[in-house]
Amino acid sequence: GDSVTQMEGPVTLSEEAFLTINCTYTATGYPSLFWYVQYPGEGLQLLLKATKADDKGSNKGFEATYRKETTSFHLEKGSVQVSDSAVYFCALNPGGTSYGKLTFGQGTILTVHP
Amino acid sequence: KAGVTQTPRYLIKTRGQQVTLSCSPISGHRSVSWYQQTPGQGLQFLFEYFSETQRNKGNFPGRFSGRQFSNSRSEMNVSTLELGDSALYLCASSLGWGNGEQFFGPGTRLTVL
Repeated sequence: GDSVTQMEGPVTLSEEAFLTINCTYTATGYPSLFWYVQYPGEGLQLLLKATKADDKGSNKGFEATYRKETTSFHLEKGSVQVSDSAVYFCALNPGGTSYGKLTFGQGTILTVHP
Repeated sequence: KAGVTQTPRYLIKTRGQQVTLSCSPISGHRSVSWYQQTPGQGLQFLFEYFSETQRNKGNFPGRFSGRQFSNSRSEMNVSTLELGDSALYLCASSLGWGNGEQFFGPGTRLTVL
């Protein structure tokens, strides 16, 4: 079945450091890929998305590129802020008959210190 | 546009009781999906409803059920509650086609004592 694997956390960085959170996936066909972010006590917010190979999703300084050859969708940001502290989830939607089902990675806790 | 709303936000029940959670999707969205989030298992898909029909189902026991109304609002029910059902239950809505992008509500925090 479909699966998503994220790098193990937690990740602790200083403000203005470079961020990478690795995400790899297993799926049949051509899934859509997403990064969601969850702040304490809240639901999930969509951070960015990519729907086909080589697409780059970007938002709020975060970027991720859909790499079909390596089945990866790594999240990057050039300069993190304290306000970026949250839990980040990589997810895929396989489409087709499983359209409404997102499969999530285990989440990566990011803490940014001033 | 108003976002996805879930009620109640917090709920405390005892073992053996049943509970009903409610979700109102974004206007125009016809698909509602439910997820369970726990520290141990992470985010797990429960089921998806589209146009009042269950379109997908995750690997949960029959104690977990749901339904969708003609206005796309959805409810999920858990009967005979167990301690392990304590979790954050998240509802997400989407158009029902396209790239699969889903919009999440704030969740209902269920505690089973």
